[in-house]
Amino acid sequence: GEDVEQSLFLSVREGDSSVINCTYTDSSSTYLYWYKQEPGAGLQLLTYIFSNMDMKQDQRLTVLLNKKDKHLSLRIADTQTGDSAIYFCATGGGGNKLTFGTGTQLKVEL
Amino acid sequence: DGGITQSPKYLFRKEGQNVTLSCEQNLNHDAMYWYRQDPGQGLRLIYYSQIVNDFQKGDIAEGYSVSREKKESFPLTVTSAQKNPTAFYLCASRTGPAKNEKLFFGSGTQLSVL
Repeated sequence: GEDVEQSLFLSVREGDSSVINCTYTDSSSTYLYWYKQEPGAGLQLLTYIFSNMDMKQDQRLTVLLNKKDKHLSLRIADTQTGDSAIYFCATGGGGNKLTFGTGTQLKVEL
Repeated sequence: DGGITQSPKYLFRKEGQNVTLSCEQNLNHDAMYWYRQDPGQGLRLIYYSQIVNDFQKGDIAEGYSVSREKKESFPLTVTSAQKNPTAFYLCASRTGPAKNEKLFFGSGTQLSVL
């Protein structure tokens, strides 16, 4: 089946940029998503990118897609303490279900 | 406000007991999903339903059951056959099986074993 891999932890200083990486195996993915989960809560959609795009920018968020290497990244500029959360990469577009990564715990230090 | 409501927030199960987690949505979404979240393992799909009175097994359906009698409701029963039920359970919905239909999530239910 499809597989989505992420590193488990990332720690950055407030004001720095954060880069969260994701690799996936399903080359038929039409859309790729980034979700954010705060403690004890559900997942909130942050942004998504269509598979024929290389980059998408949305305020402090930049998504980069390397389709050849099946690599997706999320860059958060000027990271704030409120950005501390778990970030999930997900692939989909087959019409039925998304495949989620293991999640990356982002810790923002003062 | 439209959204997905999961209840209860916390649930405790005794050995041999079946428990039911509630999921209700007023978004008029056709498709609904149940995921299980364990630390370091991400989300795993338990069951999903694309339309009323129809549902399919996900990747880890054993020990769970669902029903979809109404469009708005998709309850999940954790049966006594599920030997390791302690986890955070998330319900989600989306409008239908089109190419880009974003998932909306409830706030989750934490199930623990007594």
